[in-house]
Amino acid sequence: SQTIHQWPATLVQPVGSPLSLECTVEGTSNPNLYWYRQAAGRGLQLLFYSVGIGQISSEVPQNLSASRPQDRQFILSSKKLLLSDSGFYLCAWSVAGGPLSYNEQFFGPGTRLTVL
Amino acid sequence: QKEVEQNSGPLSVPEGAIASLNCTYSDRGSQSFFWYRQYSGKSPELIMFIYSNGDKEDGRFTAQLNKASQYVSLLIRDSQPSDSATYLCAGYMDSNYQLIWGAGTKLIIKP
Repeated sequence: SQTIHQWPATLVQPVGSPLSLECTVEGTSNPNLYWYRQAAGRGLQLLFYSVGIGQISSEVPQNLSASRPQDRQFILSSKKLLLSDSGFYLCAWSVAGGPLSYNEQFFGPGTRLTVL
Repeated sequence: QKEVEQNSGPLSVPEGAIASLNCTYSDRGSQSFFWYRQYSGKSPELIMFIYSNGDKEDGRFTAQLNKASQYVSLLIRDSQPSDSATYLCAGYMDSNYQLIWGAGTKLIIKP
């Protein structure tokens, strides 16, 4: 079965500090990978998605970046955090291709980031 | 702009009753829809998906899709306090690998 891991679970960082969040998926190959952010009491905001190694699409211009150095690894980074970067960061995966029913996304446990 | 809209709630339903959650979408070319449940402080978990007009049942849950009215709903029968959560509706509307997400409806089941 497939599993998705994210770490760390919680993070408190000062403004201006760097960020690195990691996500790995097990039990599947060549998944589509996604990074979302969810502000308190709000819906999901898609930040980045990737359909393959080194292929990253950005949805929201900001001070965040993403990389996919390996097939099942997705990293979210920032050089300098802003207060507005606080939120719940979620990594998700979906099966690449296949019938419509395979477009469902499965989420990791998330990282709660507080920028002070 | 392709959108999925949900009433933010909270929707309060007595235990044992049917909870009805609704979602509308803007793009007539939409293909499939997904309902997720999110407990406070946790990540969303998939409840069910639907891509054909009509009803789809899975245990106490029934998803309904009406493409002519651009309307998706989720019915929860015999509601339990453990069903209290935020329910997110998402639609797959084109071929760019993305889901379009609603903001979610908070459901409260009162014992």
